[in-house]
Amino acid sequence: DFQLTQSPSFLSASVGDRVTITCRASQGINSYLAWYQQKPGKAPKLLIYDASTLQSGVPSRFSGSGSGTEFTLTINSLQPEDFATYYCQQLNSYPRAFGQGTRLEIK
Amino acid sequence: DVQLVESGGGLVQPGGSLRLSCAASGFTFSDQFMDWVRQAPGKGLEWVGRIRNKANRYTTEYAASVKDRFTISRDDSKNSVYLQVNSLKIEDTAVYYCAKDGAFRGLNYWGQGTLVTVSS
Repeated sequence: DFQLTQSPSFLSASVGDRVTITCRASQGINSYLAWYQQKPGKAPKLLIYDASTLQSGVPSRFSGSGSGTEFTLTINSLQPEDFATYYCQQLNSYPRAFGQGTRLEIK
Repeated sequence: DVQLVESGGGLVQPGGSLRLSCAASGFTFSDQFMDWVRQAPGKGLEWVGRIRNKANRYTTEYAASVKDRFTISRDDSKNSVYLQVNSLKIEDTAVYYCAKDGAFRGLNYWGQGTLVTVSS
């Protein structure tokens, strides 16, 4: 079965820090990977698609990279509003699975 | 502005059924593919399924966990997409979101979600 594995599951960081979240696919998915941010009680918000393309309106401190089976989401200079849960999603095949999520909390 | 508004959630007994609706505005609905995603309380996101547009014959795809129990449909004249959920199980308890599908560009707009609670 196809697996999409995010790491870490939990991340504690301070305002101004740089953090990186990894998403690994059990088989190659080209660059068909998206990243989402979700805050408590809210719907997810698309941040990045095609592994590295920033969705319109998303701050440039967010960036994505990778292709094939390994992908990263990097947030430079963390802002208070960035503390949330982040999910990756593969868009290459069905089912269009999500990673299990990474909860980013303030240290 | 793009808006997606879900409705139809509620409390239902195991084995029961519900029809969730998602009303769309602010874009050409008939051109778009639409997805449903759910989130159990305190858990992560789970992709439920997708419906394509008329040009793609309204074909659908489903997660294995819901296939044969859930059905996605749409009415382009009403700018709405639906999720018929049958034979509900306790583990189907979740917030159900509809989302505008940008194909390989991800789910670019989401509704606020509607809560389905399956309990006796």
